[in-house]
Amino acid sequence: GENVEQHPSTLSVQEGDSAVIKCTYSDSASNYFPWYKQELGKRPQLIIDIRSNVGEKKDQRIAVTLNKTAKHFSLHITETQPEDSAVYFCAAAYSGAGSYQLTFGKGTKLSVIP
Amino acid sequence: DAGVIQSPRHEVTEMGQEVTLRCKPISGHNSLFWYRQTMMRGLELLIYFNNNVPIDDSGMPEDRFSAKMPNASFSTLKIQPSEPRDSAVYFCASSFGGSSGNTIYFGEGSWLTVV
Repeated sequence: GENVEQHPSTLSVQEGDSAVIKCTYSDSASNYFPWYKQELGKRPQLIIDIRSNVGEKKDQRIAVTLNKTAKHFSLHITETQPEDSAVYFCAAAYSGAGSYQLTFGKGTKLSVIP
Repeated sequence: DAGVIQSPRHEVTEMGQEVTLRCKPISGHNSLFWYRQTMMRGLELLIYFNNNVPIDDSGMPEDRFSAKMPNASFSTLKIQPSEPRDSAVYFCASSFGGSSGNTIYFGEGSWLTVV
């Protein structure tokens, strides 16, 4: 099955700096890569996703890049703010006829220091 | 829409008791997922239903766990008998068209403590 590795497990940055979280996956058939943000005591919520036919996607201060050859993808947050503090999960999914598998990384706890 | 609704939000039970967690997916969604979250193991998929049919239950830890989806608007996850190692947050999630990489929406979670 799919295996998703996520690094680092914890990350502290100064407010205004950038944060980068990296993930690798093992199954070359995976074609959908969402990122979820989970605040303390809350549910995971999708913040951005990318499909295998795209190399990069941006949404305001958040961007995700995908390198299918190397089987890794990254989340970039620019101009970090205290409200960005949360646990971030990457995931990889294969979607095909009659099949759906979404495997999560172990998460990165991001702390933005004011 | 109210989103994915789970109950109970919190449950404390004694070892050996039966626990039933309930989920109402978002109306119109045809895929439903049960996840378990712990510090040690992160987010684990337990079972996935598509059009009320269990598609993949390979994540169900053992026979003590069972899940049902009798109709498109309701699912249960049952643990019988419960053990302290079952203590975790159990999330139900739903999506439309689970086979096409569509957004999965999570419920608020059921926080289970088995003592």
